[in-house]
This record gives sequence, C-alpha cells and structure tokens, in this order.
Amino acid sequence: GQNIDQPTEMTATEGAIVQINCTYQTSGFNGLFWYQQHAGEAPTFLSYNVLDGLEEKGRFSSFLSRSKGYSYLLLKELQMKDSASYLCAVNTGFQKLVFGTGTRLLVSP
Amino acid sequence: EAGVAQSPRYKIIEKRQSVAFWCNPISGHATLYWYQQILGQGPKLLIQFQNNGVVDDSQLPKDRFSAERLKGVDSTLKIQPAKLEDSAVYLCASSLPTGTTEAFFGQGTRLTVV
Repeated sequence: GQNIDQPTEMTATEGAIVQINCTYQTSGFNGLFWYQQHAGEAPTFLSYNVLDGLEEKGRFSSFLSRSKGYSYLLLKELQMKDSASYLCAVNTGFQKLVFGTGTRLLVSP
Repeated sequence: EAGVAQSPRYKIIEKRQSVAFWCNPISGHATLYWYQQILGQGPKLLIQFQNNGVVDDSQLPKDRFSAERLKGVDSTLKIQPAKLEDSAVYLCASSLPTGTTEAFFGQGTRLTVV
C-alpha cells in the first residue's frame, strides 16, 4: 500500500518561515515532488527531490531523507499569496504519481 | 506552449446519469493521468496512460468508470451511472515519459451529482 502523510492545516504570519512535513511509506520510490494548489485552481509544480539533501529555489526549499521516508518544504519570507494547499507526491515507479492528503497553509498579516 | 486543456469546467448531473470529461495533454507528453480530488483532500490517481496503453488503473471503479486514450493523445473519462459520492474535481495531468519531470495539470472539471 501507499501511505503519504502531511499535517492537515498550518497557520503562519506574513514574513515568517514555515516548514511543511511529509512522511511516506510506498511500494517504490523514484523521486518526490511538491506542488502548490490555490483554492479552485490546478496544482502547480514547486520542487523535485530524488537524492538526499536540500534543494533551494528562491524562497522555497525542499529536503529529502530517503532512509527516513521524510521530506519537508520550507517557505521563507511568507507572503499573503502563499496561502494555499501544499501537496507532497511520490513517484512510486513507472511515473506513477501518488499524492498525500495535502496541507492547507493560511498566512495572516 | 499550450497547457493541458480540459472540458467542461463545470458539470451538474443527477445521480444515475452518465457524464464524460475530455482532456487534451501538452503536445509530446506520452504520460497522461486522471485524478479525482474530493474537497479538502489530495488528488487520488484513477488511471495512468503511457501513449495509448494503460499503466495503472488499480483505483478506477471499473463498474462505473471508464477511460480511453485513442491514438495516444486526447483522453476521455466517463462515469456511468454516477453516484452522489462521485462529486469531486476531476483533474487531468500530463508529463514527459521520464521520472524526473513534473506533471502539468489542467484546470479540472468540477462535477456535482445531485
């Protein structure tokens, strides 16, 4: 079976830093993706990790530990427009992309 | 570059009726996915195509759902007959046939079954 867990909801203040965790237990692993999804819109790609370590892309960074089945997305200098759902997805092999439950982030002034 | 196109955007039907959704992926993308996203949840994979072949349909309720991808380009997803619990957003996504590239999503079809 496939199990990908994320916190349901998080709140943070504008300008702050927030870390969204994702733990996974899957039948296979060929990379982990983070997507952002604003209400009523399609998910859009944020980052991809296949090797252990940190990938930095502007205000967003993503970390992976394959031995621990763990990833996090770090958002710095939060802005109001970062209020959205953040989806962790694992490529379990043959490009099968399995999504977690999603974390709804609310950024307040 | 044109994105993933889906239609219709919204659909309201009565239970036991049938409905079909259409998806046109990004040109050159061999992999196509259909996901079901219930409000407040993450997307659930229904079916994955590689060109016109099915790679995974393990979570597709085959007694009522069907999908095809003729000629390895456009795809349709059909529900017949619909149930109340099928109310959800149906997302189509496509990607290049390599594991390291992201999937691109269409705007989705919001289905309401009453």
